[in-house]
Amino acid sequence: DTEVTQTPKHLVMGMTNKKSLKCEQHMGHRAMYWYKQKAKKPPELMFVYSYEKLSINESVPSRFSPECPNSSLLNLHLHALQPEDSALYLCASSLRGGTVNTEAFFGQGTRLTVV
Amino acid sequence: AQSVTQPDIHITVSEGASLELRCNYSYGATPYLFWYVQSPGQGLQLLLKYFSGDTLVQGIKGFEAEFKRSQSSFNLRKPSVHWSDAAEYFCAVGDISGTYKYIFGTGTRLKVLA
Repeated sequence: DTEVTQTPKHLVMGMTNKKSLKCEQHMGHRAMYWYKQKAKKPPELMFVYSYEKLSINESVPSRFSPECPNSSLLNLHLHALQPEDSALYLCASSLRGGTVNTEAFFGQGTRLTVV
Repeated sequence: AQSVTQPDIHITVSEGASLELRCNYSYGATPYLFWYVQSPGQGLQLLLKYFSGDTLVQGIKGFEAEFKRSQSSFNLRKPSVHWSDAAEYFCAVGDISGTYKYIFGTGTRLKVLA
C-alpha cells in the first residue's frame, strides 16, 4: 500500500463553519505534511509533523489547526475561514522525520471552497 | 535556505517530440532532488529522485533526469512525448538547512499538440 488517502475530496464551507480534513497513510511513514496549493501555483508548506510532533508551522493563521492523533493519521481542523483560503489542500508523508533524503508521497488533495 | 528555479512557465511540444524541462537549484553540496508531475485537480506523483551516485536517473513513465553539479541543474527529459504527458511538472529540493522540508519550484505547464 503506497497510498496517502485524503477525505473529503471536495468541501464547501461557510465562513462560520467548522470542518476537518483527514489524511491517512499505512506505509509506516513517520513524517506527515500539509500543503496548500492555489491555482497555477506550487504547493506551499503549512505544517510538518515528525514522529507525531509538530515540527514546522509556516506561520499559518490560527484558523487552521493541525492534529496528528497517531502515526497514520493527520487532520486539519478549519474554523472561521476566509474566501481566500479556498485552495487545494494536499497531504503528504515520508518515511522518516527530521530528514528529506527520502521522497514524499502525496494524496489526491481536498478541494476546499469557502463561501 | 535552498531554492529551486524552473525557468519555463509553459512549454508546448508535439506528440512524439522530445522534451526537456529545466530545473536549477541553489545549494553548495549535493542536494536531494525530485521531479513530480501533477494532473489538473490531482495530487503530485513522484517521477524520479536523485540523492547521490549515477548522475543519470531513470524514472517512471519513460522520464529521466540528469544531475549536473557544474551547472546546478537537474533537467527532466523524455525522448518521445505522449498526449497523456500534458500536466504540470514540479522540480523540488529537500531543504537540509535546518528545517527539513521540501521546497518546490514554480512549475512548468506542459502542453502536448496532437
